[in-house]
Amino acid sequence: QKEVEQDPGPLSVPEGAIVSLNCTYSNSAFQYFMWYRQYSRKGPELLMYTYSSGNKEDGRFTAQVDKSSKYISLFIRDSQPSDSATYLCAMIRNNNDMRFGAGTRLTVKP
Amino acid sequence: NAGVMQNPRHLVRRRGQEARLRCSPMKGHSHVYWYRQLPEEGLKFMVYLQKENIIDESGMPKERFSAEFPKEGPSILRIQQVVRGDSAAYFCASSPPGGASDTQYFGPGTRLTVL
Repeated sequence: QKEVEQDPGPLSVPEGAIVSLNCTYSNSAFQYFMWYRQYSRKGPELLMYTYSSGNKEDGRFTAQVDKSSKYISLFIRDSQPSDSATYLCAMIRNNNDMRFGAGTRLTVKP
Repeated sequence: NAGVMQNPRHLVRRRGQEARLRCSPMKGHSHVYWYRQLPEEGLKFMVYLQKENIIDESGMPKERFSAEFPKEGPSILRIQQVVRGDSAAYFCASSPPGGASDTQYFGPGTRLTVL
């Protein structure tokens, strides 16, 4: 079983839709949870990070963590074509090494 | 403030040759991480280094792969006697000393192709 599970998609939505991206994990030692966005042939860029269970909002993006269920989500409201990218969830234990999900490829169609 | 720099961006090697990938962290960052990304797969952690020290190499293959981060100069990921299965994108990330675990900034990657 992988430490971090993420549906690779692809996911295609119309412009303006609400997008829901999810990851599950198996190791309760993970403490920090991140979402990265990666455009084609580029390095990942940090979008959101959370430490505790609950929600964190930043503009059109909301990150949600449920440690009891070992489940994290990223919601994108009013999705735009420029949001088309691969979204990677990531999480860290307390030793600085990061574990990534496989990434979900998202396409937002105009 | 320049971001994380990686070079070369693209590297082509024949089987059996050596590949050297370089990573210059962001200014003021002393922690470097290397990841490998295969097509349709997520990033796989390889190694975590601080200046002159390997902190965690649990993701490094036991043979042919090595990494260093000298006191001066960039971090180097070295792959000896490359094989076709080494073809991948290799990403480097850096973080500041004592920074929170979320502050890893990624470079643009080096795409290695082994013929």
